[in-house]
Amino acid sequence: AQKITQTQPGMFVQEKEAVTLDCTYDTSDPSYGLFWYKQPSSGEMIFLIYQGSYDQQNATEGRYSLNFQKARKSANLVISASQLGDSAMYFCAMVLTGGGNKLTFGTGTQLKVEL
Amino acid sequence: NAGVMQNPRHLVRRRGQEARLRCSPMKGHSHVYWYRQLPEEGLKFMVYLQKENIIDESGMPKERFSAEFPKEGPSILRIQQVVRGDSAAYFCASSPTFVGGKDTGELFFGEGSRLTVL
Repeated sequence: AQKITQTQPGMFVQEKEAVTLDCTYDTSDPSYGLFWYKQPSSGEMIFLIYQGSYDQQNATEGRYSLNFQKARKSANLVISASQLGDSAMYFCAMVLTGGGNKLTFGTGTQLKVEL
Repeated sequence: NAGVMQNPRHLVRRRGQEARLRCSPMKGHSHVYWYRQLPEEGLKFMVYLQKENIIDESGMPKERFSAEFPKEGPSILRIQQVVRGDSAAYFCASSPTFVGGKDTGELFFGEGSRLTVL
């Protein structure tokens, strides 16, 4: 069974600095996808970025990039130039292709951006 | 292009009543998923549906919970005889096809329905 581990329950970063949120995963399946979602205090789940296991390049979406290290089974999210609006809970999730399309989520990292 | 639409956003029920949560997937998406988020926890998979078919319900409690995705209309998550432990946020997500690997990473969530059982 697949597992997602987020070891940082809480993180602080100063505005305009970059921050890395850690995510490691565990699967023996070669075909999978990795997601990051943002959940602000209002509660909705906002898609940030996706990395397929066969993608050669690290995914990027604006200020978000995914540092995908397949051999280490890590998929860290990097947020550049942090903004106050980035303060939220961040969840890493994994899906196995052929695994019924169901996502397994980590426990999340609470990020606070300070002035 | 509207996103995944869920309603109601907030629902209050007394113990023993029924709760019905609705989800309309994004246009062009035929795969629908329901997840539950208990307070201070991550999301947990409940059920995966395609039109008129339940594909995977391995995360659904065996009793009181049911889900459908009819040919016409939204997907419905139904909780009968609710108990306090059912209080949670219920999220619906949709995708156009299979997800992961060489398939798409297009999987989006609705804003969630927050159920409170008194």
